[in-house]
Amino acid sequence: EPEVTQTPSHQVTQMGQEVILRCVPISNHLYFYWYRQILGQKVEFLVSFYNNEISEKSEIFDDQFSVERPDGSNFTLKIRSTKLEDSAMYFCASSELAGSSTDTQYFGPGTRLTVL
Amino acid sequence: GESVGLHLPTLSVQEGDNSIINCAYSNSASDYFIWYKQESGKGPQFIIDIRSNMDKRQGQRVTVLLNKTVKHLSLQIAATQPGDSAVYFCAELHTGNQFYFGTGTSLTVIP
Repeated sequence: EPEVTQTPSHQVTQMGQEVILRCVPISNHLYFYWYRQILGQKVEFLVSFYNNEISEKSEIFDDQFSVERPDGSNFTLKIRSTKLEDSAMYFCASSELAGSSTDTQYFGPGTRLTVL
Repeated sequence: GESVGLHLPTLSVQEGDNSIINCAYSNSASDYFIWYKQESGKGPQFIIDIRSNMDKRQGQRVTVLLNKTVKHLSLQIAATQPGDSAVYFCAELHTGNQFYFGTGTSLTVIP
């Protein structure tokens, strides 16, 4: 069964450093998402991406964050200058249909980001 | 503010019993809801969804009930199995493509 994959599974970085989290969505999916989950808290929407541009973003997704689909398979989340409070699990998700926000989103296993 | 929340943070049930997990939402404009299951170390996994024009939807061993009058959502799991042990989240869609997740209920199935 196709699945969303994410690398690395765990990323440790120093405060102020840039990190890039990588995702490979399911191959025929057209909508891509990033969510984060701070330890013990709820899953929070960050951004959705369709047709090579951001579709929606939340208040969390400030200028420190950016997303990119550099090729036909990868979808990346970049945090320019990490802060301690960026420590969280970051989940990538993808969905099949274009223009259908209610299509099922399939989540990857997550990348645990630890900012020291 | 708008929020999605769960009544109980933890729930323990005996194997074979039915489980009921509850969720309250506050935005009456929400028109689509999903229940997710999250096992330790994994991402959320879609279980079942329901649109606001329905009040009940059944899947395999799972049923979602929606009460729009009191803005309440529940997930019923029949004949709960040890593999059902996980954290269960409800999520609502009310603005564009953004889902808002609840804090989750941890379900423990006792063999």
